Amino acid sequence: NAGVTQTPKFRILKIGQSMTLQCTQDMNHNYMYWYRQDPGMGLKLIYYSVGAGITDKGEVPNGYNVSRSTTEDFPLRLELAAPSQTSVYFCASKGWRNTEAFFGQGTRLTVV
Amino acid sequence: AQTVTQSQPEMSVQEAETVTLSCTYDTSESDYYLFWYKQPPSRQMILVIRQEAYKQQNATENRFSVNFQKAAKSFSLKISDSQLGDAAMYFCAYRTGRGNNDMRFGAGTRLTVKP
Repeated sequence: NAGVTQTPKFRILKIGQSMTLQCTQDMNHNYMYWYRQDPGMGLKLIYYSVGAGITDKGEVPNGYNVSRSTTEDFPLRLELAAPSQTSVYFCASKGWRNTEAFFGQGTRLTVV
Repeated sequence: AQTVTQSQPEMSVQEAETVTLSCTYDTSESDYYLFWYKQPPSRQMILVIRQEAYKQQNATENRFSVNFQKAAKSFSLKISDSQLGDAAMYFCAYRTGRGNNDMRFGAGTRLTVKP
């Protein structure tokens, strides 16, 4: 059982470039989330989805976009990357009956 | 908005001894959940223990236990018989029982275990 899979694990972007962080889960979870973790800090919610076709902003959505065309996939798009987006990004999912969320292994993104 | 505060940026403990990590939270909700996650250098977020707000009994998982004080909005983690593998960042997290079910995290406590 793969759980939550994120790709890539590491990436270096130049300022102004764009990229998509991929997230897929095989647990048929309806809730999916994107968090960012800045050095020495906790996780902050970027975007979330409560089901296919439904997305909404979290605490820190500026500079990001998401889509949820299927239950399994929840990609995070960075447009015009900025140094402030240097962070570790976590995708997570949760089913209706789960108490806790399940996390992917994270993507370390550096914008230079 | 709900907030989670971890007032100890760093803690250390001698191997085989006990350590307590502190967490307080702020909410006006009655239905919520609390968690402690462990993040080792691998970055993986590993659930250590969970507590449902409606349960008065403190949760325990082997060497890990919590002291849940609902009125004081306090949720501390006690690690007994500390092991070298317990060294990690520990995050306290709050999840609402309604809406999007998203979690709010504290800033974390870095735990060092001395041999």
